[in-house]
Amino acid sequence: AQSVAQPEDQVNVAEGNPLTVKCTYSVSGNPYLFWYVQYPNRGLQFLLKYITGDNLVKGSYGFEAEFNKSQTSFHLKKPSALVSDSALYFCAVSPYGGATNKLIFGTGTLLAVQP
Amino acid sequence: NAGVTQTPKFRVLKTGQSMTLLCAQDMNHEYMYWYRQDPGMGLRLIHYSVGEGTTAKGEVPDGYNVSRLKKQNFLLGLESAAPSQTSVYFCASSYKRTGTSYEQYFGPGTRLTVT
Repeated sequence: AQSVAQPEDQVNVAEGNPLTVKCTYSVSGNPYLFWYVQYPNRGLQFLLKYITGDNLVKGSYGFEAEFNKSQTSFHLKKPSALVSDSALYFCAVSPYGGATNKLIFGTGTLLAVQP
Repeated sequence: NAGVTQTPKFRVLKTGQSMTLLCAQDMNHEYMYWYRQDPGMGLRLIHYSVGEGTTAKGEVPDGYNVSRLKKQNFLLGLESAAPSQTSVYFCASSYKRTGTSYEQYFGPGTRLTVT
């Protein structure tokens, strides 16, 4: 079955420290991978995506993610965390090679950045 | 551009009542989606549409119906609401899969409670 796993329900980090939010996937074929962020009582906002090319992808708000095909991972990273980065982060994969852009989401990781 | 809008923002229904959630987008996107978000389960796809007049089932379609009579609108209907349908509902839209524009754009959500 095709799936996305976010192994940590919550990640705690101090402001100014680097952060990593983990994501692994299980799909057939070449995956299209995405990270979204959700602030309280808001919809999801697109952060970044990997379609093809360079394994290190840069996105909004200073976030980046590294695609690792051998480990089937797409971890989200930021060199220096801000309190305002505190939110719920979702990893998603689009495994369908056709024309629908359907996404499979992970269960989400709550990022808490302490001042 | 307003992006993706959803109506209503909140609703409380009694078991057995019906309602329709409206999603509208002004980005001329071909694809539209309805998701539900439940704690610890991420987002799950209910129904989706790849164009005006076409709809298809997603991961959790039971108890819901949809219609897409106009390209910019995607309606989600609950014919006989059940407490298990208490959730936050998100609509999303995206371009057809061309180039590298695959990401979905989300509305602000509708919080539905069924008592």
